[in-house]
Amino acid sequence: SAVISQKPSRDICQRGTSLTIQCQVDSQVTMMFWYRQQPGQSLTLIATANQGSEATYESGFVIDKFPISRPNLTFSTLTVSNMSPEDSSIYLCSVEGVVMGHTEAFFGQGTRLTVV
Amino acid sequence: QKEVEQNSGPLSVPEGAIASLNCTYSDRGSQSFFWYRQYSGKSPELIMFIYSNGDKEDGRFTAQLNKASQYVSLLIRDSQPSDSATYLCAVRSNYQLIWGAGTKLIIKP
Repeated sequence: SAVISQKPSRDICQRGTSLTIQCQVDSQVTMMFWYRQQPGQSLTLIATANQGSEATYESGFVIDKFPISRPNLTFSTLTVSNMSPEDSSIYLCSVEGVVMGHTEAFFGQGTRLTVV
Repeated sequence: QKEVEQNSGPLSVPEGAIASLNCTYSDRGSQSFFWYRQYSGKSPELIMFIYSNGDKEDGRFTAQLNKASQYVSLLIRDSQPSDSATYLCAVRSNYQLIWGAGTKLIIKP
């Protein structure tokens, strides 16, 4: 299993500002995933972060709005830039690991972001 | 576009009864299927996974998979108030996990 420490757990931010979310994993992983979960909605993948290369963004998400860093195999950050109220959501980082022969997703505690 | 569909609920079940949660998926090539439980304000946690057609039992939980119908379900026997949560269905298609919106389950004492 993997233990993921994500911070901050919550924040209230002014529109137009930026917030950086940090994610630390207790083991080395190739890929880290950043999700957004809006109330009553599914987990939506924002991007996949690989160490040593640029993140791969999903349709509807762009690097200018959600820049990602991946400086090593245990750490990643997601920045939500130039925030608007529509960015209010829960942001989750995730890794996948093999447990007893199957691949399982593990999540950080989540960051609850409110933009006012 | 690959999709995973779930009834958002809430699904209300009396304590001690069987809760039945359903999920359909669009990608016929999907290889593996997962049920995650998410308590309010918490992160999802895996409770069951299934790869092959048929039933898989783990304690009070049974996952059922029918690939021909593109349908996966989760049964919870002897439901407890602590089972009250949102249950997320996830389907692995190629390398990516596709998530359903979740079904909110309420177990009434």
